[in-house]
Amino acid sequence: SQQGEEDPQALSIQEGENATMNCSYKTSINNLQWYRQNSGRGLVHLILIRSNEREKHSGRLRVTLDTSKKSSSLLITASRAADTASYFCATENTGGYQKVTFGTGTKLQVIP
Amino acid sequence: KAGVTQTPRYLIKTRGQQVTLSCSPISGHRSVSWYQQTPGQGLQFLFEYFSETQRNKGNFPGRFSGRQFSNSRSEMNVSTLELGDSALYLCASSFIGGGSYNEQFFGPGTRLTVL
Repeated sequence: SQQGEEDPQALSIQEGENATMNCSYKTSINNLQWYRQNSGRGLVHLILIRSNEREKHSGRLRVTLDTSKKSSSLLITASRAADTASYFCATENTGGYQKVTFGTGTKLQVIP
Repeated sequence: KAGVTQTPRYLIKTRGQQVTLSCSPISGHRSVSWYQQTPGQGLQFLFEYFSETQRNKGNFPGRFSGRQFSNSRSEMNVSTLELGDSALYLCASSFIGGGSYNEQFFGPGTRLTVL
């Protein structure tokens, strides 16, 4: 079962614009991670934010985490055509049988 | 360092057969996790192995099994294949698997087609 719901499911923007993706989850977490996947290939880790952190930056990426709302957002600034990919959030849950769950993903298309 | 490798990259099987997929983690990584990715269900966690022991398990039937060897290489086995098992199977390794997860490094995946 999916822990996270991401929205939007698909996003199309012009190169140079900012892209924002949101992830909501259901249970308590240790951390939340964002991954990128190009065309059905393996996933690439982008950034990890721990449950006691509220914001993190990495290059053009900015991630926020609101544990009270059980939500996170990924902002990609000054997007490039090479950012075209699917983006997934993944949560490491604090308990239960399934330790790691992925969201449904957002397909981002950046138009040159 | 070499990345996570998975073999084979593509596989075609028929219903009822069994299949074994292999994953070699990054050198020094002791945690290996397996995921199934399908268009309908998305990315689903299968199981995680750490030091040859299955430590976490997703909600999959017993037809899905795995193991890890002393060199941290892992295999995943699916018996009595069903059409719905057609998917991209991804393996990920992590340096520290105990307690809290760190960054997972994914392999390119094995694309399994069941006819």
